Amino acid sequence: AQSVAQPEDQVNVAEGNPLTVKCTYSVSGNPYLFWYVQYPNRGLQFLLKYITGDNLVKGSYGFEAEFNKSQTSFHLKKPSALVSDSALYFCAVRDGSYNKLIFGAGTRLAVHP
Amino acid sequence: KAGVTQTPRYLIKTRGQQVTLSCSPISGHRSVSWYQQTPGQGLQFLFEYFSETQRNKGNFPGRFSGRQFSNSRSEMNVSTLELGDSALYLCASSLSPGNSYEQYFGPGTRLTVT
Repeated sequence: AQSVAQPEDQVNVAEGNPLTVKCTYSVSGNPYLFWYVQYPNRGLQFLLKYITGDNLVKGSYGFEAEFNKSQTSFHLKKPSALVSDSALYFCAVRDGSYNKLIFGAGTRLAVHP
Repeated sequence: KAGVTQTPRYLIKTRGQQVTLSCSPISGHRSVSWYQQTPGQGLQFLFEYFSETQRNKGNFPGRFSGRQFSNSRSEMNVSTLELGDSALYLCASSLSPGNSYEQYFGPGTRLTVT
């Protein structure tokens, strides 16, 4: 069965520093991986996806993610964090050919001024 | 282009009642999925609809049902509400069920069962 793990409940970063939010996955077959962000009292906003191709995927708001097949990881990164990046981040994997996303538990990112 | 819209945004119901939530996908999107978000269980898949057909269903009791109309709008219904049904219900739409298509989420309906 497909699964996703986000090993950190919370990540704290100082504004201007690089940030990394970790995600590992377990899938049978090719992985289709996604990152979403959720701000308070809002739905999920799509950041980026990995389907195939380059291992470094660029997304919205300056975020990027690195797909590593040997380590089964898909970590989210940003070179310089902003206070406005503080939110809840979810990694997800698509389950087979259906439009079902399996989400990780989420990682709360706190960027301090 | 307008995003995914969900109505109502907030709802308070009593145990035993039923509720219907509505979702209008992004124009041109034909696939709609529903998710339940709770602090304890996180984000869980409820069901997926495409061309008015349910393609997949998550591990929820039969009290949870849904449908999709010819204009791609979708509704989900929960009958005989229980306290544990209190959650944020999120609808997501995509162009089609294909693997390369990302899903776009609405703001959700916050259901509180008392």
